[in-house]
Amino acid sequence: QSVVTQPPSVSGAPGQRVTISCTGSSSNIGAGYDVHWYQQLPGTAPKLLIYGNSNRPSGVPDRFSGSKSGTSASLAITGLQAEDEADYYCQSYDSSLSGLVFGGGTKLTVL
Amino acid sequence: EVQLVESGGGLVQPGGSLRLSCAASGFTVSGNYMSWVRQAPGKGLEWVSIIYSGGGTYYADSVKGRFTISRDNSKNTLYLQMNSLRVEDTAVYYCARARYTSSSNWFDPWGQGTLVTVSS
Repeated sequence: QSVVTQPPSVSGAPGQRVTISCTGSSSNIGAGYDVHWYQQLPGTAPKLLIYGNSNRPSGVPDRFSGSKSGTSASLAITGLQAEDEADYYCQSYDSSLSGLVFGGGTKLTVL
Repeated sequence: EVQLVESGGGLVQPGGSLRLSCAASGFTVSGNYMSWVRQAPGKGLEWVSIIYSGGGTYYADSVKGRFTISRDNSKNTLYLQMNSLRVEDTAVYYCARARYTSSSNWFDPWGQGTLVTVSS
């Protein structure tokens, strides 16, 4: 059981907007540690999507955005496309564990 | 081009050992933080270990005392020595460059992964 919690699944129709939550506690997100997001397409390695809560690496479409508030963070995807169907993971640092932590992952289905 | 290529995975019996390698190109392993992350079949991502550019090493509690992260600067290669392997260590192991600020580390890029299967 991860100390950072994500919904197991979300879905949306093409063109719609979806959000994926990442809920932590006072020893990780709430302690001020940044949240990062990764996209894992089926059968491939994870790819960095958002770093430092809201920064997009070059090459990542601006349809993807991140935010953080209190003990939680969110990934928003607008203009949903079929190729966005993937698993999404949030990641931060936990001071109680003295280590890097991932959320359990969220499977996005494009209807 | 920045690239990471893992090797060394395979089938090993419980209690056995295996050494994974991760060859880097486009940047120096010694000048960066480097990490291992694993993913059990059908499961999520789990951070395993990190080595800082200064040489400091850290491990997840699940592997502490059994796994050792190291690097060979002359070969620009990262390693993970895995001893006393358990069935629950079965996973795809990814190496990744760990970027950092004072507020956290993140992983970019990732290698393609190498599968380790621990079974009798």
